[in-house]
Amino acid sequence: EAQVTQNPRYLITVTGKKLTVTCSQNMNHEYMSWYRQDPGLGLRQIYYSMNVEVTDKGDVPEGYKVSRKEKRNFPLILESPSPNQTSLYFCASSPYSGSGELFFGEGSRLTVL
Amino acid sequence: DAKTTQPNSMESNEEEPVHLPCNHSTISGTDYIHWYRQLPSQGPEYVIHGLTSNVNNRMASLAIAEDRKSSTLILHRATLRDAAVYYCILRANAGGTSYGKLTFGQGTILTVHP
Repeated sequence: EAQVTQNPRYLITVTGKKLTVTCSQNMNHEYMSWYRQDPGLGLRQIYYSMNVEVTDKGDVPEGYKVSRKEKRNFPLILESPSPNQTSLYFCASSPYSGSGELFFGEGSRLTVL
Repeated sequence: DAKTTQPNSMESNEEEPVHLPCNHSTISGTDYIHWYRQLPSQGPEYVIHGLTSNVNNRMASLAIAEDRKSSTLILHRATLRDAAVYYCILRANAGGTSYGKLTFGQGTILTVHP
């Protein structure tokens, strides 16, 4: 089954404790991206990747890092999480095409205390 | 990157058609128009996309204005399961300078009444 898998789905952590949210897709997609969703602000793009070893900033990259060492994986790294990074995070992937449909993961709800 | 404008909310009755509008006056010639929807407690899901011509699929229809500065997502017979937030976004063709960046905005909250 074609899918984008995120882990963990839920996490409560404390300020400053490094964490990684993993994202994996099984569709051989070139494009992957991360979003955060906050009440009243909609979906905002954090980082995206056109292909392996190619990443770029979205609209809200501060406080986040990403890497794309393999085509299927695109982890989101919070080196020193802060309470303002409490949010619902979504990973998405698509073929490398403007007409390519985006496939989203189920989301990861992160709480930073 | 090109932006879209959608109404904050719309309401419909079950089994009636719904027309969800989207304005994208700064669209470029190679931008695709995509629609996604997000059901409560789920990730967004693809609905439909188009470039210039109207498109139909099993979920909906997409009507694109001749000048491409606006589009309308049409749900032919709304059901309670169609209650969701609907997002209209523009996606540049691969290789375009704004291909990777996507702006979703806040979308339109669709309420469907029984």
